[in-house]
Amino acid sequence: EIVLTQSPGTLSLSPGERATLSCRARQSVSKQDLAWYQQKPGQAPRLLIYGTTSRATGIPDRFSGSGSGTDFTLTISRLEPEDFAVYYCQQYGPSPPMYTFGQGTKLEIK
Amino acid sequence: EVQLVESGGGLIQPGGSLRLSCAASGFIVSSNYVIWARQAPGKGLEWVSVIYGGGSTYYADSVKGRFIISRDNSKNILYLEINSLRAEDTAVYYCARGISGYGGFDYWGQGTLVTVSS
Repeated sequence: EIVLTQSPGTLSLSPGERATLSCRARQSVSKQDLAWYQQKPGQAPRLLIYGTTSRATGIPDRFSGSGSGTDFTLTISRLEPEDFAVYYCQQYGPSPPMYTFGQGTKLEIK
Repeated sequence: EVQLVESGGGLIQPGGSLRLSCAASGFIVSSNYVIWARQAPGKGLEWVSVIYGGGSTYYADSVKGRFIISRDNSKNILYLEINSLRAEDTAVYYCARGISGYGGFDYWGQGTLVTVSS
């Protein structure tokens, strides 16, 4: 079973700053199987990044994903007020098929 | 426009059963893979089950043997039958559509709350 560990647990930044969120897997993850989501209180998750680097439809280009193997990163280049939320990474493992979410990083206004 | 609308949640006693529904529009459920995921109050997301286009199904260890995922192709509806409910099954249950060729999910429903309590 692949375990995803996100860090930090909470990130306190100001609008306009750069945010770097980390997701580390215990085993290697295929690049096409790593995704990132944003979730605000009372809302469903929203897909931001899939296939490690591809932005979902309608996602601003200040969001970018990178990484390979066991280490993946979500970067928000310049924080907007609406970006403060909880972020989850998620992966697919094939044997047997299963999907795993990280525990989340809360991005809060400093 | 792709939409997923869950229903069927509610207050249920421990040991009880419930069937959740996820009505899909804008795409064909049987031509995609779709999951159920859940989120306990104040906690993170947990994958529960997946059904692939060919009909194969898989479950998280925490629900294996108690939950059953299925679909009605004629109605384009996904179901999750949840049995032998426990307090720890209390959560918002979401359905979501998988992205073909990738391991992520591009459309999510708004969720339905299941509360297990006596």
